[in-house]
Amino acid sequence: QVQLQESGPGLVKPSETLSLTCTVSGGSISNSYWSWIRQSPGQGLEWIGYIYYTVSTKYNPSLKSRATIAVDTSKNQFSLRLTSVTAADTAVYYCARIRWVQSPNDAFDIWGQGTMVTVSS
Amino acid sequence: DIVLTQSPGTLSLSPGERATLSCRASQSVSTTSLAWYQQKPGQAPRLLIYGASNRPTGIPDRFGGSGSGTDFTLTISRLEPEDFAVYFCQQYGNSPRTFGQGTKVEIK
Repeated sequence: QVQLQESGPGLVKPSETLSLTCTVSGGSISNSYWSWIRQSPGQGLEWIGYIYYTVSTKYNPSLKSRATIAVDTSKNQFSLRLTSVTAADTAVYYCARIRWVQSPNDAFDIWGQGTMVTVSS
Repeated sequence: DIVLTQSPGTLSLSPGERATLSCRASQSVSTTSLAWYQQKPGQAPRLLIYGASNRPTGIPDRFGGSGSGTDFTLTISRLEPEDFAVYFCQQYGNSPRTFGQGTKVEIK
C-alpha cells in the first residue's frame, strides 16, 4: 500500500528557506493529489497546499505566497519550500494524499509520520 | 475561511460508553465535504470518516458520522481503550481547507 515519508532539516534559521521532501512508496506520484499540512500547538492543524502531478497547485492564502510545492516524478517525490520563515513556522510538517484521484476536494487518507521543524537562530 | 468549532473541548468517558462529538461550521460546508480524523500522541492523524458519513476500509463500524450544512457529529457507539485520543473535523469543500481545534476523549 502507499506510504509517505517526510525528510529535511529539523532546524532552520529565521528569514531562511524551509525545504522538505515527501517520498511516495508503493504507488505512483502521478496518480493522485498530494498535500502538505502542518501542526503547531498555537495554530492547530493548518493546510498548506496541494499539487497534482506537474499540472496544478493551490495554496493557503494565509502563507502569503511563501509556499511552493513541486513534484519530481523521476524520484516519486514531492517537496515543499517555505521562504522567509519565522518562529511562527515552527511545527510538525506532514505530507498527505488526497483520497479521490479525480479531484482535490476530498479528505486526506494517507499521511506521513510527520517531521518537526524548528525555526531558531 | 470556514471556521470549524468543535465541542466539547474535552470529553471524559469510560470504556463502553457512547461518545458524541460536535463540529459546527461558520458557513455551510458544500456537498457534505467534511471529514473526521483521530490522532494519538506522537502519531499522524488517521482518517475515520469522509463525506460526512462514509468510513474508509478498515475503520470499525462503531465510528459513525452524520450531519450536513453547518452541523456535523461524530459518534463512537461504544468506546474501546484504543479510542481515547484527539479527534479533528476538517472541511474540504471550500478553499482553504480548514480543521477544527479538536476534541480530546479521555478516560474518566
